[in-house]
Amino acid sequence: EAGVAQSPRYKIIEKRQSVAFWCNPISGHATLYWYQQILGQGPKLLIQFQNNGVVDDSQLPKDRFSAERLKGVDSTLKIQPAKLEDSAVYLCASSPLSGTPTQYFGPGTRLTVL
Amino acid sequence: SQQGEEDPQALSIQEGENATMNCSYKTSINNLQWYRQNSGRGLVHLILIRSNEREKHSGRLRVTLDTSKKSSSLLITASRAADTASYFCAPDTGRRALTFGSGTRLQVQP
Repeated sequence: EAGVAQSPRYKIIEKRQSVAFWCNPISGHATLYWYQQILGQGPKLLIQFQNNGVVDDSQLPKDRFSAERLKGVDSTLKIQPAKLEDSAVYLCASSPLSGTPTQYFGPGTRLTVL
Repeated sequence: SQQGEEDPQALSIQEGENATMNCSYKTSINNLQWYRQNSGRGLVHLILIRSNEREKHSGRLRVTLDTSKKSSSLLITASRAADTASYFCAPDTGRRALTFGSGTRLQVQP
């Protein structure tokens, strides 16, 4: 079974630029999560999708962050414009709709904003 | 969902020793999960303990849960250098959205 795929693995941009991250969850997993992990901290949930609907986006800075999950499979997280404090690792995870609520994480995208 | 708080923040031990880390949380839960994160990698699920369980084993891992004290512990026995990682607990209230604390950074010296 293939794991959660994310790309790119690393990204360096200047502040005020835009950036997008892509996630392909485990096949058949209805729930997809995006987390932000700042160095030295635990992951913080940004947004949770169930199929292609948003379940929780209460911690998503909506003035600059957006996310979509078209057709309930792949997802894209965008930051526009980026700020210095957005430097972090962005983790994508997925889980099945029923059964054990284990989350399966991708390797993450490390974003550096200069 | 609610956040678990891990303690200690950092732990350094010798290979072969046991490592114990603790987690506290604040409200009722359906289950509690432990995850490991190696440097520069995503999180990996280690073990899940349900609210009606008191202890669970998986290989060299032993997890306990005390719902009256709202706390859990993770014991890694006979630690190896490869166990060096950050460990996070995640209390789950049933909403399937997890909130992580800052974790325990475990360093196992060879």
